[in-house]
Amino acid sequence: EIVLTQSPGTLSLSPGERATLSCRASQSVSSSYLAWYQQKPGQAPRLLIYGAFSRATGIPDRFSGSGSGTDFTLTISRLEPEDFAVYYCQQYGSSPTWTFGQGTKVEIK
Amino acid sequence: QVQLVQSGAEVKKPGASVKVSCKASGYTFTSYDINWVRQATGQGLEWMGWMNPNSGNTGYAQKFQGRVTMTRNTSISTAYMELSSLRSEDTAVYYCARGAAAPGRPLGYWGQGTLVTVSS
Repeated sequence: EIVLTQSPGTLSLSPGERATLSCRASQSVSSSYLAWYQQKPGQAPRLLIYGAFSRATGIPDRFSGSGSGTDFTLTISRLEPEDFAVYYCQQYGSSPTWTFGQGTKVEIK
Repeated sequence: QVQLVQSGAEVKKPGASVKVSCKASGYTFTSYDINWVRQATGQGLEWMGWMNPNSGNTGYAQKFQGRVTMTRNTSISTAYMELSSLRSEDTAVYYCARGAAAPGRPLGYWGQGTLVTVSS
């Protein structure tokens, strides 16, 4: 079973700053099968990135995904007030199965 | 537009079962997987299992094997998740989510969540 470890646990930044979130897999993951989600308090998660790089419909281009193998990154180029939230990476595996990382909280500094 | 509307909050006693529904609209129900994901208060997302609404085939996370059952009624475009032998640790918000028609079947649409509280 693949384990996804996200870091840092909490990222304290100011609006306008760049956010870099990491997701590390315990074994190699196909880039096609890596996704990122945003979740705000009291809301369901929202798909941001799929296939490691592709933005979901309606997602602003300040969100970008990169990486391969075991190391993946979500970058928010300039934080807007609405971007302060918890972010989860997720991988799709055989069987099939879906596995989530434990999340990174982006909070206002 | 695609919508997944879940049933309302439930309060159950330990040892009981709960059945949560997820009614789909805005697309062909049998064309996309339905997943179930839960989230305890203040915790992360936990995948529970998957169902193909066309075939009825299912796959469950090992943690829930033997306690969870996912079914569907295609005539009313509704998926169900039943969890048995409830314990206090099962208190959580339960989400249904639709897989996308893309590699990796990312979860592009989510229901609003159903709070299940297990308490004596």
